[in-house]
Order: sequence, then structure tokens, then C-alpha cells
Amino acid sequence: RKEVEQDPGPFNVPEGATVAFNCTYSNSASQSFFWYRQDCRKEPKLLMSVYSSGNEDGRFTAQLNRASQYISLLIRDSKLSDSATYLCVALTGNQFYFGTGTSLTVIP
Amino acid sequence: GAGVSQSPRYKVTKRGQDVALRCDPISGHVSLYWYRQALGQGPEFLTYFNYEAQQDKSGLPNDRFSAERPEGSISTLTIQRTEQRDSAMYRCASSPYSNQPQHFGDGTRLSIL
Repeated sequence: RKEVEQDPGPFNVPEGATVAFNCTYSNSASQSFFWYRQDCRKEPKLLMSVYSSGNEDGRFTAQLNRASQYISLLIRDSKLSDSATYLCVALTGNQFYFGTGTSLTVIP
Repeated sequence: GAGVSQSPRYKVTKRGQDVALRCDPISGHVSLYWYRQALGQGPEFLTYFNYEAQQDKSGLPNDRFSAERPEGSISTLTIQRTEQRDSAMYRCASSPYSNQPQHFGDGTRLSIL
């Protein structure tokens, strides 16, 4: 079983829509979680860390549910520029485990 | 430099040749990670260093792969006797310390003919 699993999508949504991605992790010992964004042929870039209490950064909200071992990312009021692949990451010990990524395309 | 720098950006070589991929992390970053990323997949861990010490090399696929970071800054990932299955994007990332979010370089696209 993979350490981190994500629905690869693709998600195609119209501009202005709200879209949510979920991710599950298999190791209950994982201590930190992150969402990265990766544009086509570019390097992954940190979007936000995920905290147990949930956290928000503008149009982006991340949630962590330790009991169910899943992480979510909510994007409100989608912009064309949000089109990218979103990678879920779990830190276990000193190793970062990346999901395969969820592809999002925002359509005009 | 301001970010993580990797070289070369592209490397094409014949099967059986040795290749060396270089990573120059963000200045002052203690931790340096190497990943391999296949198309449509997330980065897959290969190995990591804190300072010059290789902390974990469990992700290296076999003994043809090795990495070093002799002075705790620049790192080199070496692949000996390359095979076609080694073709991939190789990414380096650094962080202030090992449990903190990472900053990635542009990667080296390796193609083995």
C-alpha cells in the first residue's frame, strides 16, 4: 500500500467554482503534512502546510483528520491560474512521502 | 544563490555510461534530499543528507546509484552503468532542517539511449 494516495483526477472545473481534493495516508505515525503545487514541467512548490486545527490561506483551506488519516484541500473561487497538479505530502520520521498528484484544470 | 540549483538541466547519454548530477542547495540549508520523478507521478525519495552525513539511502534503487555531499553543501548523485530504466527527472530539494518544508530545484531530465 502506498504511503500517500490521491485521486489523480483530472478535475475540470469552471472559473469561480469550489473544488476539493482529498488524500489519505497509511502511516499513523506521520507527523506533518503539506500540499505542494506543481505546474507542467516545473518543480513542486510548497502551497501550504496542514495543521490539525485546519488552516486557511486566502482562497485555500487545508484540513487534517488524524482519526481517519486524511487530508483535504479546498479551493474557493477557482482562477485559471489555479490549473496545476496538487501533491499531497506526508512527513514520516525524516522522509517525505508524496502522492501521485491530483490534476486540476480551471476552464474559462 | 536564491534557490536550489541543479545541473545539467538535461542529460542524454548512452546506456552503460556513468552520469553525475549536481545539486547546489539554498545557502545554509542543512538538509538535502534527492528524488526521482516519473511522468504523472509524485517525487519518489532516493536519499537525504543532513550536513555532509548521508542519513538515509533506502530509496536508492540498487548499488549503481550513490550520492555524496562531502562539504555539507553541494551534492552529487552518481549513476554508474546507466540503463534505459534510469531515464527520469531527478530532483533535488533542500530545507533548513529535515522536518521542514522543502524547496525544489528545476531538476535534471536524464535520458538513457
